[in-house]
Amino acid sequence: DAGVTQSPTHLIKTRGQQVTLRCSPKSGHDTVSWYQQALGQGPQFIFQYYEEEERQRGNFPDRFSGHQFPNYSSELNVNALLLGDSALYLCASSQPGGRNTGELFFGEGSRLTVL
Amino acid sequence: AQSVTQLGSHVSVSEGALVLLRCNYSSSVPPYLFWYVQYPNQGLQLLLKYTSAATLVKGINGFEAEFKKSETSFHLTKPSAHMSDAAEYFCAVSEANDYKLSFGAGTTVTVRA
Repeated sequence: DAGVTQSPTHLIKTRGQQVTLRCSPKSGHDTVSWYQQALGQGPQFIFQYYEEEERQRGNFPDRFSGHQFPNYSSELNVNALLLGDSALYLCASSQPGGRNTGELFFGEGSRLTVL
Repeated sequence: AQSVTQLGSHVSVSEGALVLLRCNYSSSVPPYLFWYVQYPNQGLQLLLKYTSAATLVKGINGFEAEFKKSETSFHLTKPSAHMSDAAEYFCAVSEANDYKLSFGAGTTVTVRA
């Protein structure tokens, strides 16, 4: 049973560029959340997608956007990259309906470095 | 608003010794509480969760946590540390009407032989 898969695992961008990160949820899961984990900090909630809609959003600027596809996979897009966007981006999936039991299944993350 | 405070960013224990990781939360309504573990270069894995059933929660790998409403705490313990317990541990809180988890800053555990 495949878990949550993310790509790419590592990438380097320069300030001002745009990046797209991809996530496939665990089999049977329909809800995808994205978190940003800066070095030495806990993950911070970016947003959650359910039924191809952004259901909830954290305190992140509009430069951060996402999408969920009919097969439940998801993308995170970040425009106009800043140095402070350097972080590990974690995708997490949860059970159908996405009622918050808190049992998230995380991928290994995409590590973004902005130079 | 909900938040989590983890006391101590780094804990070092001897193999076989007690592991105690402290977590205090603030929440305006009865919360869901969680402990996650992150091994190097991996994603987070759920250790255990409290969802208003028993106040003493048992998780994987011999860990347990006790919910104390009067102290707004949810400390994680393991009676005997193993070398494989070396990792970063995160406490998290959520509310029933919320879809996000709010994580603490994490506690790194090192285990000395």
